[in-house]
Amino acid sequence: EDKVVQSPLSLVVHEGDTVTLNCSYEVTNFRSLLWYKQEKKAPTFLFMLTSSGIEKKSGRLSSILDKKELFSILNITATQTGDSAVYLCAVAISGGSNYKLTFGKGTLLTVNP
Amino acid sequence: KAGVTQTPRYLIKTRGQQVTLSCSPISGHRSVSWYQQTPGQGLQFLFEYFSETQRNKGNFPGRFSGRQFSNSRSEMNVSTLELGDSALYLCASSSGLAPSTDTQYFGPGTRLTVL
Repeated sequence: EDKVVQSPLSLVVHEGDTVTLNCSYEVTNFRSLLWYKQEKKAPTFLFMLTSSGIEKKSGRLSSILDKKELFSILNITATQTGDSAVYLCAVAISGGSNYKLTFGKGTLLTVNP
Repeated sequence: KAGVTQTPRYLIKTRGQQVTLSCSPISGHRSVSWYQQTPGQGLQFLFEYFSETQRNKGNFPGRFSGRQFSNSRSEMNVSTLELGDSALYLCASSSGLAPSTDTQYFGPGTRLTVL
């Protein structure tokens, strides 16, 4: 069974701190890994990673994938209260008609002022 | 471009009833996926439709069904509601064509409460 595990499950930091969120996976026929941010309702897309070692960056957020060790990290530098959210990691699998994302349970990040 | 829209946003039903949820994808997107989100299980895949055909299905009972129309709008139906069906139901759209199919854009969700 395909599995995506995120750690930690929750994290509380102060504004200005740097955080690292982890996502490991065990899936057959990996195709891509995606990160989403979920505040109140709809998850919003952050990054899609398909190749090992290539960092994706958007402002204070960055992410990298290691396909050999089967994990990804999401870094947030100089955190702000607006970064408080659940961060979701998902894996897409290739092969046949497999068009679905398998999600981890998420990491709840709380940034205190 | 308008985002993914879902209606209704909130629903309260009683056990045994049935419910239909609607999702309109981003214009030009042909794939619609449905997910159930609960505090205990997280986001779980229900099914995915592309060009009116179901391409993939998750591990949910047959009470959960869906369909897609020629304009790519999709509906999801849950019959004989159970208390455990209370959840946030999210719809996501994508182009449906590799390699961009993996990037799914989510709607605001429908919060279903079963009493």
